Amino acid sequence: AQRVTQPEKLLSVFKGAPVELKCNYSYSGSPELFWYVQYSRQRLQLLLRHISRESIKGFTADLNKGETSFHLKKPFAQEEDSAMYYCALSGGTGFQKLVFGTGTRLLVSP
Amino acid sequence: DGGITQSPKYLFRKEGQNVTLSCEQNLNHDAMYWYRQDPGQGLRLIYYSQIVNDFQKGDIAEGYSVSREKKESFPLTVTSAQKNPTAFYLCASKVVDRDNSPLHFGNGTRLTVT
Repeated sequence: AQRVTQPEKLLSVFKGAPVELKCNYSYSGSPELFWYVQYSRQRLQLLLRHISRESIKGFTADLNKGETSFHLKKPFAQEEDSAMYYCALSGGTGFQKLVFGTGTRLLVSP
Repeated sequence: DGGITQSPKYLFRKEGQNVTLSCEQNLNHDAMYWYRQDPGQGLRLIYYSQIVNDFQKGDIAEGYSVSREKKESFPLTVTSAQKNPTAFYLCASKVVDRDNSPLHFGNGTRLTVT
């Protein structure tokens, strides 16, 4: 079974501080991991995916198969990063259902 | 302007009534999904469809029904059998491909049942 765990409901940091949003997954096969973000009054949208190995808005995430983690990191948080972040897992390529974590609200204070 | 349209934005119903939420996309995506978003529970999958006239139950399908008669449309009916229907409902679509393209979401429908 696919499962995604985001242990923190709320993460509150000051502007300029480093940020790490935790995500752990459970899946027996080869997973595809994603981070989605929902800014206030906007629709849920893709932030980044592990296979792209890219940095979006200063955020990065590395898939660690040994620890079954896909933590989202940013060295210096900005106020505009305040949003709801969801980690999601898909069981491999092709048509697979996407399973989401419970989400972490990031609040960046000035 | 391509995208996913959910209507209405807010919906109010009396307990015991069935209600249908609309989801239309003009992205030519094959796959469509319905999620329910509740505070503290994230997004939970209700139903999904890979192609026209085919759909599968997600993790919380009880009390819901769907149809996929057209590629562009994937309406969700919340029946009176759904015990806790008040929620925010999100529709999404994606290309079915080998690279596992991301989901595109609608703006959601907030359903309140009293």
